[in-house]
Amino acid sequence: GPKVLQIPSHQIIDMGQMVTLNCDPVSNHLYFYWYKQILGQQMEFLVNFYNGKVMEKSKLFKDQFSVERPDGSYFTLKIQPTALEDSAVYFCASSLGGAGTGQLYFGEGSKLTVL
Amino acid sequence: GEQVEQRPPHLSVPEGDSAVIICTYTDSATAYFYWYKQEPGAGLQLLMSVFSNVDRKEEQGLTVLLNKKDKQLSLNLTAAHPGDSAVYFCAVSAGYQNFYFGKGTSLTVIP
Repeated sequence: GPKVLQIPSHQIIDMGQMVTLNCDPVSNHLYFYWYKQILGQQMEFLVNFYNGKVMEKSKLFKDQFSVERPDGSYFTLKIQPTALEDSAVYFCASSLGGAGTGQLYFGEGSKLTVL
Repeated sequence: GEQVEQRPPHLSVPEGDSAVIICTYTDSATAYFYWYKQEPGAGLQLLMSVFSNVDRKEEQGLTVLLNKKDKQLSLNLTAAHPGDSAVYFCAVSAGYQNFYFGKGTSLTVIP
């Protein structure tokens, strides 16, 4: 079935450094999401993105976070600077329509470890 | 905003028994309901989606029940087998862009 690819699968960085997590969504999908999961627990919504714009973001989406998808390339999540509490697995998801028109397809996650 | 509670957080059942996971939600505008399965080190795999005009849906050994009056959604795995061991998440949406997830249920099926 359709696949969402995430790069890297694992990244270890020092606190204060910048990190960019990359997501290659399903090719014809229009809506893109980032979720944060700590210790295999709850999937916490961070942000969704459509038509080049952030549509909705949660309080977890701090000022240090940003997303973009320049010209149909990777959908990226950038954290600058990183903090210890940013250590988590970040999942990218995409859907063809919004929540009511199709399922979310998830990538396998990017595990971020901030030291 | 929407609050989704999922229980139990952990569940162990012998092979062949059924396993039931329940989610409750708060937003009466919620119209779309999903169950996802997450195996170790992997992303979420959609098991079943249900629109609010459906009270019961069965597919391949899975039964989803929706009680809109009580704002409750359940997933029943009949005759669970070890391959069903994973973390299960419910997710709901009012039809806007956001999906709200439960905290997950770690299911262990004992051979």
